[in-house]
Amino acid sequence: DTGVSQDPRHKITKRGQNVTFRCDPISEHNRLYWYRQTLGQGPEFLTYFQNEAQLEKSRLLSDRFSAERPKGSFSTLEIQRTEQGDSAMYLCASSSGASSSWEQYFGPGTRLTVT
Amino acid sequence: GQQVMQIPQYQHVQEGEDFTTYCNSSTTLSNIQWYKQRPGGHPVFLIQLVKSGEVKKQKRLTFQFGEAKKNSSLHITATQTTDVGTYFCAPRSSNTGKLIFGQGTTLQVKP
Repeated sequence: DTGVSQDPRHKITKRGQNVTFRCDPISEHNRLYWYRQTLGQGPEFLTYFQNEAQLEKSRLLSDRFSAERPKGSFSTLEIQRTEQGDSAMYLCASSSGASSSWEQYFGPGTRLTVT
Repeated sequence: GQQVMQIPQYQHVQEGEDFTTYCNSSTTLSNIQWYKQRPGGHPVFLIQLVKSGEVKKQKRLTFQFGEAKKNSSLHITATQTTDVGTYFCAPRSSNTGKLIFGQGTTLQVKP
């Protein structure tokens, strides 16, 4: 399967714990995005990487959130001191800068439940 | 920043009926993308529109971009049960490519 993969698919954690999610984009896609989606809403942009550089962060991304993309391949999103309001689906997407349509390919998401 | 509103939020149709969802912006958009998300699934790219007045067709789906580039629509002819899902419009940032999603229109199709 050459699509975007995310791990884990589901995560249940207690409030105050730290969690880390991983995203493996389509190989050779230099652009990688993280979004968060809650029930009944569209995905909300969190952050964007071009290769290994994090070029944009949403104001939604508090200082408890950090994302990395070492070597411009896979990316990780860490949430520290989780809160119940962090419960959501975390989606990763990648795109090729060479594509004229800039279409984004989404992974299956990681569903986070904070109890 | 850019925001888009989609109407209706929900639509129930009988199989075979047509369906339309509308996407409206208060600002001029440089482009708009459409995605479909099946229940329990992730968004899947359908199309991108960039030109004023552009119309694109994909089988039973017709996408339009308004003349003023402030609105867009998706029309499905003769809906099928496989059309069930949530349809999102999303302007794309010209420099970073990030998408700003509307809240979506959820389509239910009764067989």
